[in-house]
Amino acid sequence: EVQLLESGGGLVQSGGSLRLSCAASGFTFNMFAMNWVRQAPGKGLQWVSTIGTTGENIYYVDSVKGRFTISRDNSKNTQYLQMNSLRDEDTATYYCVRRASNWGAFDIWGQGIKVTVSS
Amino acid sequence: EVVLTQSPATLSLSPGEGAALSCRASQSVRGLLAWYQQKPGQAPRLVIYDTSNRATGIPARFSGSGSGTEYTLTISSLEPEDFAVYYCQQRSSWPLTFGGGTKVEI
Repeated sequence: EVQLLESGGGLVQSGGSLRLSCAASGFTFNMFAMNWVRQAPGKGLQWVSTIGTTGENIYYVDSVKGRFTISRDNSKNTQYLQMNSLRDEDTATYYCVRRASNWGAFDIWGQGIKVTVSS
Repeated sequence: EVVLTQSPATLSLSPGEGAALSCRASQSVRGLLAWYQQKPGQAPRLVIYDTSNRATGIPARFSGSGSGTEYTLTISSLEPEDFAVYYCQQRSSWPLTFGGGTKVEI
């Protein structure tokens, strides 16, 4: 079964740091671009970051550039999101998401993990 | 940045009725548009990719159409499990963006 399992969320103070992890199973991890998408409470979806299969192609939404770092370890079938200088507006459920082959749509989603930034 | 505008914000319908959800882009997204369904407390699920292709396991009552800047998700006859929020999303250019969502409610 194809599965993505996030961990590492929780409550953090404004200005603090947190690292999210996403463990993948059921597919050949190193063949797919991976992503983080977030959803603030009661709001819509926002793409956060994408990392290519080898980690060489990386993209971020402007609001997290310089603060968040996406990475992956293909030997562990895991991707990460290091979040620094957290702000209140980063409070959201963060989803680990796989992109379909050839940089396609978001075809597999994790169950999501909550991050709460408290001032 | 490509801005996606979905309409209407809310669609009130009954089971058995048809639904047409609109997604308008601020510039052409070249057909690289997807639709996702999200139910309360759940992660989104891919419904349609690249304008008109149904994702795995999606029933035939869901269809997508459009081109350029105008796209539509059509649900031919609503089943009880179809009542949810639907988001469109483009992968034509960075940053990847989502529309604000359409809630299909009873």
